[in-house]
Amino acid sequence: SQQGEEDPQALSIQEGENATMNCSYKTSINNLQWYRQNSGRGLVHLILIRSNEREKHSGRLRVTLDTSKKSSSLLITASRAADTASYFCATDEYNNNDMRFGAGTRLTVKP
Amino acid sequence: DGGITQSPKYLFRKEGQNVTLSCEQNLNHDAMYWYRQDPGQGLRLIYYSQIVNDFQKGDIAEGYSVSREKKESFPLTVTSAQKNPTAFYLCATRTGRNEQFFGPGTRLTVL
Repeated sequence: SQQGEEDPQALSIQEGENATMNCSYKTSINNLQWYRQNSGRGLVHLILIRSNEREKHSGRLRVTLDTSKKSSSLLITASRAADTASYFCATDEYNNNDMRFGAGTRLTVKP
Repeated sequence: DGGITQSPKYLFRKEGQNVTLSCEQNLNHDAMYWYRQDPGQGLRLIYYSQIVNDFQKGDIAEGYSVSREKKESFPLTVTSAQKNPTAFYLCATRTGRNEQFFGPGTRLTVL
């Protein structure tokens, strides 16, 4: 069963705007990760945030984690057309060796 | 796509045939995973392996089989028992830091 659920399912913005995507999950986790997928390609790891962290930055990416609400958000600032892709959250659960992916948010950045 | 190769990129299968998808890695990672992705959907776990000669079923293992005879290789066989095999198949490895690296994927179509 899928663990993470991204919201919104699709997002369309203009170049230069910020994009925010959310992820909710159900069980206790060790960490939460965000991945990016260009159409027809494999996934690329973007950022990992551990359960004891609340915020993490990487370039134009900012991830927050609220374990009390079992939710995370990914913010992409100053978006570019090249950011157009699907973004997935994945959770690494306690006492489990697999990872659970959500259905993803399809982001379109218009030039 | 890192050090993970998947072949072939496109595969066509007639109904009733078994086919095997290849996944090879040179990253020296112990854990390997197979996911299925349907159009506009997230990833669903088929099988995973934490170590050579050991593997575990994921959420949708029915109609699939795997082997892990070598650390570098984790082939997936789609059997005739899988009633709706048309999908995009992704192989991944997992680092000690729990990040996953994905191959470029194989698109399987049943004719």
